[in-house]
Amino acid sequence: AQSVSQHNHHVILSEAASLELGCNYSYGGTVNLFWYVQYPGQHLQLLLKYFSGDPLVKGIKGFEAEFIKSKFSFNLRKPSVQWSDTAEYFCAVNAGNNRKLIWGLGTSLAVNP
Amino acid sequence: GAGVSQSPSNKVTEKGKDVELRCDPISGHTALYWYRQSLGQGLEFLIYFQGNSAPDKSGLPSDRFSAERTGGSVSTLTIQRTQQEDSAVYLCASSQPGPASTDTQYFGPGTRLTVL
Repeated sequence: AQSVSQHNHHVILSEAASLELGCNYSYGGTVNLFWYVQYPGQHLQLLLKYFSGDPLVKGIKGFEAEFIKSKFSFNLRKPSVQWSDTAEYFCAVNAGNNRKLIWGLGTSLAVNP
Repeated sequence: GAGVSQSPSNKVTEKGKDVELRCDPISGHTALYWYRQSLGQGLEFLIYFQGNSAPDKSGLPSDRFSAERTGGSVSTLTIQRTQQEDSAVYLCASSQPGPASTDTQYFGPGTRLTVL
């Protein structure tokens, strides 16, 4: 069965620090990869997604993620975080033509001003 | 334009009662998904509707759970004989399907269900 692992459950950073959130998935075939974010009191929204082409994907608010097929990973990065990046971050995967998303448990990020 | 809306935002019910949760997708979106998020767990897929095709019910945890989508728009998730383990946030999402499942799912605010 497909699964998604997010290794960091809680991350606390100071403003301007760099961020990397890990995401690994288990599935041997073609996958589409997503990072969603949920800011406090708001809906889940898409940060970025990868389905083909350049494995380095850029999303909103300065976030990027790199798909490394050999490592089954899709880590999220941001060079310099801001207080407004405080949120819950979710990695999700769907495989082939199956549209249902399989989700990681999420990472809670707190950025101290 | 309007996003995905869900009602009620909160529902408290007694064990054994039935509940109905409603989702209004973004206008024109043909795909609709239900997920739930239990405390300490990630989002769990429940069911997926796409146009007039038979829904993918593979994520429904028991036969107490059912969902329908009327007129290709509004969807209702029904939980019969609720149990305490059904307590969770139920999320609805909609999308306009693109090629090979790459479409972005847009989420509603969720319904927080508490079963006493």
